[in-house]
Amino acid sequence: QITLKESGPTLVKPTQTLTLTCTFSGFSLSTSGVGVGWIRQPPGKALEWLALIYWDDDKRYSPSLKSRLTITKDTSKNQVVLTMTNMDPVDTATYYCAHSILGGYYYGMDVWGQGTTVTVSS
Amino acid sequence: EIVLTQSPGTLSLSPGERATLSCRASQSVSSSYLAWYQQKPGQAPRLLIYGASSRATGIPDRFSGSGSGTDFTLTISRLEPEDFAVYYCQQYGSSTGYTFGQGTKLEIK
Repeated sequence: QITLKESGPTLVKPTQTLTLTCTFSGFSLSTSGVGVGWIRQPPGKALEWLALIYWDDDKRYSPSLKSRLTITKDTSKNQVVLTMTNMDPVDTATYYCAHSILGGYYYGMDVWGQGTTVTVSS
Repeated sequence: EIVLTQSPGTLSLSPGERATLSCRASQSVSSSYLAWYQQKPGQAPRLLIYGASSRATGIPDRFSGSGSGTDFTLTISRLEPEDFAVYYCQQYGSSTGYTFGQGTKLEIK
């Protein structure tokens, strides 16, 4: 059974850096095709994909946020970490991590964490 | 950057009716890389369809996906009360990543 859980601060101040951790179980991030992604959702708004890291350490970022994002993995700890710099109140959102498989086919983000709410305010 | 435009923004239907949701891409998308999700209030999204037309594990067969190129459709053949939610399409592109549409809210009429 695959599970993922997000953790991190619930409140950050403007200009600070946000660090979120996704801790997962039931799969290995060293298995070919496997990836873990981050997605966020501001209150009452649509989903926004942020970043994804693959089993081979290939990384993809949202073009509009690329300069502020860094995604890394620790395979031994079964964790993926997302950092977002220069936080602003518009970054207030629920942040999700999700499991994904990509090969010659995209199998979607099939298992999601419960999400963690981050508020940006002074 | 590929933009996904979903229509309508809100769809009002009654249980038992057929729902047709549209997702249009600003440029051609491989069918292999198109997915649909359902999200209910306070919950994480749930994968419904991948590869434009393949149902994810445990998804009822009243949900079906179709389309190619720039036009994709999610159809719910006979709406159940639990189907009223927000639906998102998503595409993967090697240079643009995993873009989501803005969502269609399916509400009870």
